[in-house]
Amino acid sequence: QVQLQESGPGLVKPSETLSLTCTVSGVSINGYYWTWIRQPPGKGLEWIGHSHYSGTTKYNPSLKSQVTISLDTSTNQFSLNLTSVSAADTAMYYCARVVPEKDFWSGYSFYFDFWGQGTLVTVSS
Amino acid sequence: QAVVTQSPSASGTPGQRVTISCSGSSSTIGSNTVDWYQQLPGAAPKLLIYRNNQRPSGVPDRFSGSKSGASASLAISGLQSEDEADYYCATWVDSLNVVLFGGGTKLTVL
Repeated sequence: QVQLQESGPGLVKPSETLSLTCTVSGVSINGYYWTWIRQPPGKGLEWIGHSHYSGTTKYNPSLKSQVTISLDTSTNQFSLNLTSVSAADTAMYYCARVVPEKDFWSGYSFYFDFWGQGTLVTVSS
Repeated sequence: QAVVTQSPSASGTPGQRVTISCSGSSSTIGSNTVDWYQQLPGAAPKLLIYRNNQRPSGVPDRFSGSKSGASASLAISGLQSEDEADYYCATWVDSLNVVLFGGGTKLTVL
């Protein structure tokens, strides 16, 4: 059974870097895309970006200058770095596995089939 | 700016059929498939429907999805109290290279 678990500090100071790790079990991270999604308190979901072990990455344009997602195949983990954070970055952060599919008639799909339980990160001094 | 719109709320009584809609444009929903996620209170989202109308293993057939043009719908038949949750649609937007979520619909079972 595929399982994901987020870890990292729950409190980050403004202007510092938010760093989270997602530990994957039950499957090798090789061969899949992996993503980070966040949810501010009481609000909806926001896709941050995704990365593939081949090095392919996509980031949300609204966060592109701040975000790095990287994979470590030796530990079967992937990570999120978000620089220069502010209170607006306070959110529950989820990691998930991505399934990319495409066909001529329907177009692209990037859906998220396994999720971590989430970790709350508060940005405050 | 690309947006995907959902009604903020929906409601129904046990046993009823309810529909949750998700609307976009030719460059969002009109171009690619739609996925649906269920978020129970205090829990992580869970994949409910993928590629417009496909159910992952373990999702009851009371849940169904459809898409027509630039809009998509999630239907829940035989509504149960445990279906009370937030529901999000999502689609890939080619022009932005981004997964775009709808704002979510809070379903209340009366």
